[in-house]
Amino acid sequence: DSGVTQTPKHLITATGQRVTLRCSPRSGDLSVYWYQQSLDQGLQFLIQYYNGEERAKGNILERFSAQQFPDLHSELNLSSLELGDSALYFCASSVGDTLDEQFFGPGTRLTVL
Amino acid sequence: AQSVAQPEDQVNVAEGNPLTVKCTYSVSGNPYLFWYVQYPNRGLQFLLKYITGDNLVKGSYGFEAEFNKSQTSFHLKKPSALVSDSALYFCAVRDQAGTALIFGKGTTLSVSS
Repeated sequence: DSGVTQTPKHLITATGQRVTLRCSPRSGDLSVYWYQQSLDQGLQFLIQYYNGEERAKGNILERFSAQQFPDLHSELNLSSLELGDSALYFCASSVGDTLDEQFFGPGTRLTVL
Repeated sequence: AQSVAQPEDQVNVAEGNPLTVKCTYSVSGNPYLFWYVQYPNRGLQFLLKYITGDNLVKGSYGFEAEFNKSQTSFHLKKPSALVSDSALYFCAVRDQAGTALIFGKGTTLSVSS
């Protein structure tokens, strides 16, 4: 158990819909990262927050957004969903920046029908 | 731009034999290099990292990696493979100016008994 929790574990929804994925980092970790894992794209970095502020942005679509709240939990919002958004979404946390070990949550499997 | 390549989709070894999982990188300046492992239906787990110093880095579960600047490589090694080492292995890189980790596509390691 990494100490990072993600909810829900599975999510099935339809095209055009909007969903919210939630992540609670390990106690004491200030950074939260979101990744998307799919068979064709591999593991793609989406976005990083550090202590409530956006720190780095990767291959995140404009339809996707994220935020980190004062209690350091984070949410990833995916809107206008398309079939191609079906993937495993991981949250990870670390004490500080990307040179620190990242602890990954179990992931949320999103299926868009 | 920074990038990382894992030239082998799959590596097969017999239990007890040494294993190598290859990784090459491209960054501006000095690289920061990482190895993570993903077991089925789990998030990624940190194995080891190279930031600076000794080119041979020792990590978790008996794994080690050798940083070779001239060949821009960071191959993962283990002297004696276990069946339980069977998993998906990811190499990742970050450059000094960057903030995000870039992950390779992953290499599936299969250890047969």
